[in-house]
Amino acid sequence: GQSLEQPSEVTAVEGAIVQINCTYQTSGFYGLSWYQQHDGGAPTFLSYNALDGLEETGRFSSFLSRSDSYGYLLLQELQMKDSASYFCADFSNTGKLIFGQGTTLQVKP
Amino acid sequence: GAVVSQHPSWVICKSGTSVKIECRSLDFQATTMFWYRQFPKQSLMLMATSNEGSKATYEQGVEKDKFLINHASLTLSTLTVTSAHPEDSSFYICSARVTSYRDRGSYGYTFGSGTRLTVV
Repeated sequence: GQSLEQPSEVTAVEGAIVQINCTYQTSGFYGLSWYQQHDGGAPTFLSYNALDGLEETGRFSSFLSRSDSYGYLLLQELQMKDSASYFCADFSNTGKLIFGQGTTLQVKP
Repeated sequence: GAVVSQHPSWVICKSGTSVKIECRSLDFQATTMFWYRQFPKQSLMLMATSNEGSKATYEQGVEKDKFLINHASLTLSTLTVTSAHPEDSSFYICSARVTSYRDRGSYGYTFGSGTRLTVV
């Protein structure tokens, strides 16, 4: 089976940096994706790591360590609009995208 | 970019009736469409994978006779919730896999906007 573990909730203040971790146990692992979902909306793609290391996209960065089956999403210069749920997801060779349980990020003023 | 159009965005139906949800890929051909269900404050749970011209593949525990999936063309996949009951009330969302244009050839999935189903 496949499982991806994330913290359920994270709280941070505006302007701060927050890291959301994801550990996974999957078969046929290809890469780790990150998605953002606001209440009532569809998930939107943030980042994808196929190789070990850091991927940077503006204020968001994502990291992957295959040897540790671990990745994280780093959000910098937090803004109120970043309050949302964040999901790591496993893109496996089956073509299915399996989501972690999600982390609710609350950004406070 | 690749867009998946999902309709309706919300629907309220009576218990025992059936509801059809459509997902259309607007500017690309989606040979595979994934259907998810999401309960409040929970993750997206994969229900089934539909493939154009063949039978859908259902995840363990998903009743295929209750959630009928049809993928008759390269641009349209439908999910019909048959004999809906209040416990079927949920957020249903489809997704298609597309190739992004990133330099590493990474793959992304584009999602429909979702359908909020309420069964009363």
